[in-house]
Amino acid sequence: AQTVTQSQPEMSVQEAETVTLSCTYDTSESNYYLFWYKQPPSRQMILVIRQEAYKQQNATENRFSVNFQKAAKSFSLKISDSQLGDTAMYFCAFMKHWWDDKIIFGKGTRLHILP
Amino acid sequence: ETGVTQTPRHLVMGMTNKKSLKCEQHLGHNAMYWYKQSAKKPLELMFVYNFKEQTENNSVPSRFSPECPNSSHLFLHLHTLQPEDSALYLCASSLGTSGANTGELFFGEGSRLTVL
Repeated sequence: AQTVTQSQPEMSVQEAETVTLSCTYDTSESNYYLFWYKQPPSRQMILVIRQEAYKQQNATENRFSVNFQKAAKSFSLKISDSQLGDTAMYFCAFMKHWWDDKIIFGKGTRLHILP
Repeated sequence: ETGVTQTPRHLVMGMTNKKSLKCEQHLGHNAMYWYKQSAKKPLELMFVYNFKEQTENNSVPSRFSPECPNSSHLFLHLHTLQPEDSALYLCASSLGTSGANTGELFFGEGSRLTVL
């Protein structure tokens, strides 16, 4: 069974700094999908970024980028020039196949951006 | 109008009550999900429906009973719950097992359940 581990329950950084959130996963699959989701306080969870395991290039979305290390089964999220609106719970998630309808989440990291 | 709507947003019930959570999606998606979010635990996948058929029941106790009458609506019927069932219940939808599935889930705001 696949597992997703986020080892940082909570983090705080100053506004405008760069922060990296860690995620490791366990799978025997060679092709799969990884995600970072953001859940702002009292608001809906939304997708931040998505990575396909067969792609070597790390995904980027504006200030958000990932460091995907397939051999190490590591998938970290880097937030550059952090903003107050980045304050949220961040969840790392895994999906086995594109035709799979089950997505497995980690425990989440609560990120505080301080003014 | 948000893509995925959950009602009620907050629910307090006793252990002998029967209540239901409702989820509706306006995105034309094929798959709908129930997740349970408890403090300091991973999001727990409870149920998955794809084209109205249940494709996942993640060993959920029978006091939780899902219903998916069509691809746009999903219910979670609650009966004789325990205090440890208190949590945020999230509904989500996706393109499911269709060829266009990117794996992105679209979530509702959740139903905060408190069992006394």
